Parts: sequence; structure tokens; C-alpha cells
Amino acid sequence: NAGVTQTPKFQVLKTGQSMTLQCAQDMNHEYMSWYRQDPGMGLRLIHYSVGAGITDQGEVPNGYNVSRSTTEDFPLRLLSAAPSQTSVYFCASQRAGGTYEQYFGPGTRLTVT
Amino acid sequence: SQQGEEDPQALSIQEGENATMNCSYKTSINNLQWYRQNSGRGLVHLILIRSNEREKHSGRLRVTLDTSKKSSSLLITASRAADTASYFCATGLETSGSRLTFGEGTQLTVNP
Repeated sequence: NAGVTQTPKFQVLKTGQSMTLQCAQDMNHEYMSWYRQDPGMGLRLIHYSVGAGITDQGEVPNGYNVSRSTTEDFPLRLLSAAPSQTSVYFCASQRAGGTYEQYFGPGTRLTVT
Repeated sequence: SQQGEEDPQALSIQEGENATMNCSYKTSINNLQWYRQNSGRGLVHLILIRSNEREKHSGRLRVTLDTSKKSSSLLITASRAADTASYFCATGLETSGSRLTFGEGTQLTVNP
């Protein structure tokens, strides 16, 4: 199994541009989440999904959209990039049923100029 | 705001010594987890302790949980240079154990 994969690994955007960060998992996990990690800080939850067609906001959702049309994929869209969105973005998945362990992708390092 | 606060922010020890990291949190939890992050990589799950447990072991890892003090500690025994990483605690809410809130992490450096 590839686990959780994220693309791209690095991205530079200009202010105002939009883009989609891709996340896919092949473990048939019901739960998926997006986090951002700023320098010297822990992870903050952006959006999460408990299954296909179901999404909800996390701690810092503004400026981001998500959708979950399949179990495998959970893309994160930046609508109009701002320098404050410069960060490392991590996608994670988790099996339903009370185990609570999350599996993380390798991250996407995004710079907005 | 961050649910968890970790202490110390940075820890430097010699190979073979034990490393202890602490985590405090604010609200009632379902579970508490510890993750490791090597530089430039994603997080890797280490160990989970549920709110009704007080201590758990996994290899060289020992985790304790004191729900009355809202605190946890991670002990790594006989540390190795390969243990050099950032360590994060994450708490699962009482109402939704799947939704995690992460602390700011402890940077552990193990010197050979």
C-alpha cells in the first residue's frame, strides 16, 4: 500500500491565485483531514471528512474549500491565495471504529508571494 | 487556540539517557496520542492512551496520563541518535475522539 499520498510536494503561488492540493489514500479509511503546520508550531485542523459526501470545518477553515466525492480522495482548494497561507500542509486518514490513529502524508510545502 | 501545551520546547540529551516530555491540555478528552515528526517529513503515530487508562508501554516508550491534572508524559528510555525528532501530543475530544488537537511539540536532540 502507498498509504497517504500528497501532490505536489512544493508549490509557489502568487497572491490571488487559486490551486488544489491533492490527497489520496489506499487504505479504505473513512476519515480524512487537512492540517497546516506553521514554523515552530503544531498542526492546526483546516477541514475534515467522516466519509464520502460529508465534510466539516476545523479550527482554521477560512480561505479553503474541500469536497469528498470518493473514499480515496480529499482535495483541498485554496480559493485566492494569501501570504498568510504560506505553510506546510498535511493530509491524514483514519479508520473508523474507534482506533483514532491517524496516518499522515509527506506534506506539501506552499509559499505564497 | 491549541488544546495541548508541551514542555520542554526543546530537549538535548546524550545517547543512552532517558528523555521525558510533558503535555498539558484544557478540556475533557477521549484519548491522547503521541506522534513523532522527523525533519521535513509527515507525522508518525507512536502510541495512544485512552482516558480510562493511566499508563501504557510500547517498546522503549512509556506514556502516562493523569486526567485529574489534565496532563501526560512521554518517556523514551535508552535514547538513540535516531530518536532525534519533534514529538507532538494530540488530544481527541471527549465528544469526537477522531478529531485531534495538536500541541506545539518538543524538539528532541539525541547526541551520539
